[in-house]
Amino acid sequence: DSGVTQTPKHLITATGQRVTLRCSPRSGDLSVYWYQQSLDQGLQFLIQYYNGEERAKGNILERFSAQQFPDLHSELNLSSLELGDSALYFCASSVGGTGGRGYTFGSGTRLTVV
Amino acid sequence: TQLLEQSPQFLSIQEGENLTVYCNSSSVFSSLQWYRQEPGEGPVLLVTVVTGGEVKKLKRLTFQFGDARKDSSLHITAAQPGDTGLYLCAGTDTGGFKTIFGAGTRLFVKA
Repeated sequence: DSGVTQTPKHLITATGQRVTLRCSPRSGDLSVYWYQQSLDQGLQFLIQYYNGEERAKGNILERFSAQQFPDLHSELNLSSLELGDSALYFCASSVGGTGGRGYTFGSGTRLTVV
Repeated sequence: TQLLEQSPQFLSIQEGENLTVYCNSSSVFSSLQWYRQEPGEGPVLLVTVVTGGEVKKLKRLTFQFGDARKDSSLHITAAQPGDTGLYLCAGTDTGGFKTIFGAGTRLFVKA
């Protein structure tokens, strides 16, 4: 157990639907990062939050949004889902505002859009 | 655009052999990390290197950061089946806010 908790572990949904992925960071970590991993794209950075504020943005689609709550847990919302959104979504956390010392990853949410 | 290229993409070797995985970029990084990922799980941090020329050892794994902080290598001595997995390098930019991942090297060690 890495200390980063992601739910649900698996999610199957239809095209056009909206889903919410949840992440609780490791105790004491203030930063949360969201990554998408697919077979042909590798790990792609989506977005980072630090202590409730958006800190950095990667290749996140406009259909996707995220937030970090006062208790530091984070949610990634994916809407108008397309088949190509099927992937593993990972949340990671770190103590500080940068990932320079490395992240602690959760076990991921496997999203399948049918 | 920063890119991290890993090579080889795939490696299948016999138990007991040595191997080296490379991670290269044209960009300078403030730090570089190596992770190992098993199927269905998230990447697990193995090491972080921050100083050009730095060498770190973790049992049979040796990690080196290039002098110019643009590249890194991972050497495994006497590989074992338990070393099987996806090895990912990740570089953090000099601003410290963005970390990019290489595509990974998939290692399979046969008993």
